[in-house]
Amino acid sequence: DTGVSQNPRHKITKRGQNVTFRCDPISEHNRLYWYRQTLGQGPEFLTYFQNEAQLEKSRLLSDRFSAERPKGSFSTLEIQRTEQGDSAMYLCASSPLFGGGTTRTDTQYFGPGTRLTVL
Amino acid sequence: DQQVKQNSPSLSVQEGRISILNCDYTNSMFDYFLWYKKYPAEGPTFLISISSIKDKNEDGRFTVFLNKSAKHLSLHIVPSQPGDSAVYFCAASALGTGGFKTIFGAGTRLFVKA
Repeated sequence: DTGVSQNPRHKITKRGQNVTFRCDPISEHNRLYWYRQTLGQGPEFLTYFQNEAQLEKSRLLSDRFSAERPKGSFSTLEIQRTEQGDSAMYLCASSPLFGGGTTRTDTQYFGPGTRLTVL
Repeated sequence: DQQVKQNSPSLSVQEGRISILNCDYTNSMFDYFLWYKKYPAEGPTFLISISSIKDKNEDGRFTVFLNKSAKHLSLHIVPSQPGDSAVYFCAASALGTGGFKTIFGAGTRLFVKA
């Protein structure tokens, strides 16, 4: 049973550098989400893909952030010119096309996250 | 603007007793509610959900209650076990223009004492 995987698990970078994270969703899931979580807070929505189409972006996603899902499978999140305020846990989640029982299709399954530290 | 609020940052319960975690929401467009559990160094794990057309959903030791008029939901864990010690996130979802959007609360850390 392969769940959602994220790489790398940890990333330390210097301010001003670019970083890229990868997410591999559960294979039959066509929806993919990116969230950011800071200490003491819940996950904050960043963006959402249905297959390869990016359908929604949060105001939190500044011009320095870009996400892609080129073939509707894995996704990448890039942060350009990182700032110390970008330090957070970046979570990826996926959800299926069809629900099951009482579970709706937007029930999301999360990866372990990538912890970014910007020095 | 916190649309989903978990006002108790932490809760401590004796093993075998009931744990009750509370959540309030403000957006009446939310029609699906979820609870996630998170252990350190892991992503949140889906626990249980409830649609707005129901007022109760039960799965083993976990029951979620929804009071739409009060915009309040709660998660009951009975009996509580030490392995239940984790951070619990309440989340709410609504169908938007681009698809489903899920908003999470800040979480409640549950400690179950043996």
